[in-house]
Amino acid sequence: DAKTTQPTSMDCAEGRAANLPCNHSTISGNEYVYWYRQIHSQGPQYIIHGLKNNETNEMASLIITEDRKSSTLILPHATLRDTAVYYCIVRDNGGIISSGSARQLTFGSGTQLTVLP
Amino acid sequence: DTAVSQTPKYLVTQMGNDKSIKCEQNLGHDTMYWYKQDSKKFLKIMFSYNNKELIINETVPNRFSPKSPDKAHLNLHINSLELGDSAVYFCASSSQYSYNSPLHFGNGTRLTVT
Repeated sequence: DAKTTQPTSMDCAEGRAANLPCNHSTISGNEYVYWYRQIHSQGPQYIIHGLKNNETNEMASLIITEDRKSSTLILPHATLRDTAVYYCIVRDNGGIISSGSARQLTFGSGTQLTVLP
Repeated sequence: DTAVSQTPKYLVTQMGNDKSIKCEQNLGHDTMYWYKQDSKKFLKIMFSYNNKELIINETVPNRFSPKSPDKAHLNLHINSLELGDSAVYFCASSSQYSYNSPLHFGNGTRLTVT
């Protein structure tokens, strides 16, 4: 899986948009970009993923650059409960029936997002 | 209606003991995982397992062994516990038959070896 680079930490004011960048310059054509977050003392939580197109769900939006070498996770209206470590991961989804190794996620060090009141 | 549940939440034990951590998922997933998060907060894959394949991270000591009585359970058994085994262990599950199935994690088991 391609390596990702994220800032170590970021602050965001409550109610404002939080924009979390991720560089994945060595991403290959069949690798997806996944975002997870880990709130203190909890397990990682899936947020969103995408391949080429921008994606949006009830939690966040994912903007992927045209060359796919970087992406941005956007939390449109950050709340105090969004304070967490955010992980950007790239992974080959493989086929419908793929080996267990293709299903594994390799976590980096992530970005500690602190939402300030 | 917890999707992935682990027990116990906390486990304190002495060096040399053998212990198990249980994991159950009610999502109907066919693939389960164990991750270890050390004191520096790095999450590392230990195992992934479904009824066809066990993938073991080569850095995991053979004192650690996953045991799966059925598709909904993947327990982690640890022999001869060492101080360095102290960490938070997370279980997760996913579906290999859903093309973009994300991993669902439990809330972890904090293991302290004294």
